[in-house]
Amino acid sequence: DTEVTQTPKHLVMGMTNKKSLKCEQHMGHRAMYWYKQKAKKPPELMFVYSYEKLSINESVPSRFSPECPNSSLLNLHLHALQPEDSALYLCASSHQGGAVQFFGPGTRLTVL
Amino acid sequence: KQEVTQIPAALSVPEGENLVLNCSFTDSAIYNLQWFRQDPGKGLTSLLLIQSSQREQTSGRLNASLDKSSGRSTLYIAASQPGDSATYLCAVSRSGGSNYKLTFGKGTLLTVNP
Repeated sequence: DTEVTQTPKHLVMGMTNKKSLKCEQHMGHRAMYWYKQKAKKPPELMFVYSYEKLSINESVPSRFSPECPNSSLLNLHLHALQPEDSALYLCASSHQGGAVQFFGPGTRLTVL
Repeated sequence: KQEVTQIPAALSVPEGENLVLNCSFTDSAIYNLQWFRQDPGKGLTSLLLIQSSQREQTSGRLNASLDKSSGRSTLYIAASQPGDSATYLCAVSRSGGSNYKLTFGKGTLLTVNP
């Protein structure tokens, strides 16, 4: 299984809602990533987990809260988002730092 | 701060043509360089990864080269097909520390016309 899955595919939420994005991989990868991608822009790194520990936080606002419950799962908890947070949120995984990153299909988030 | 530039921003070619996409980076202290493909509204698909010690990698009709000292990489696509139409992204990871982080270029939007 060489796939990274993400749910949901689309999400519409109000600014007062709380929601979560989920990511899963079964490739035995020990590094997992969250990226944010705005239209016609490259992906921007948000968080990196290495061996289930938060390794990198790219100064992301606290309304985004990552969680890595186990080596296969990565969540991104969302609360009190702003309309400018609307974007494609991509999850990726890799065997280790510097290895090929495998990306999921993304969650298209719209904040009203 | 690493900066990655991709030229051209967009390219339109007839089917069957060979083409070259360019990527340049400002800091030569890289761990590796990756080329990705992204279809509209989709995730990224890794095409080729070149380690900093390598000069090129090949996969099918794709060939990527790396000249670390000059801060350049090229992606060569042979005999282009309409199915190759996508955005191609170049990304580098840093050496000598955390090599998890990828710095991306803005991409080249390729259209192959039948």
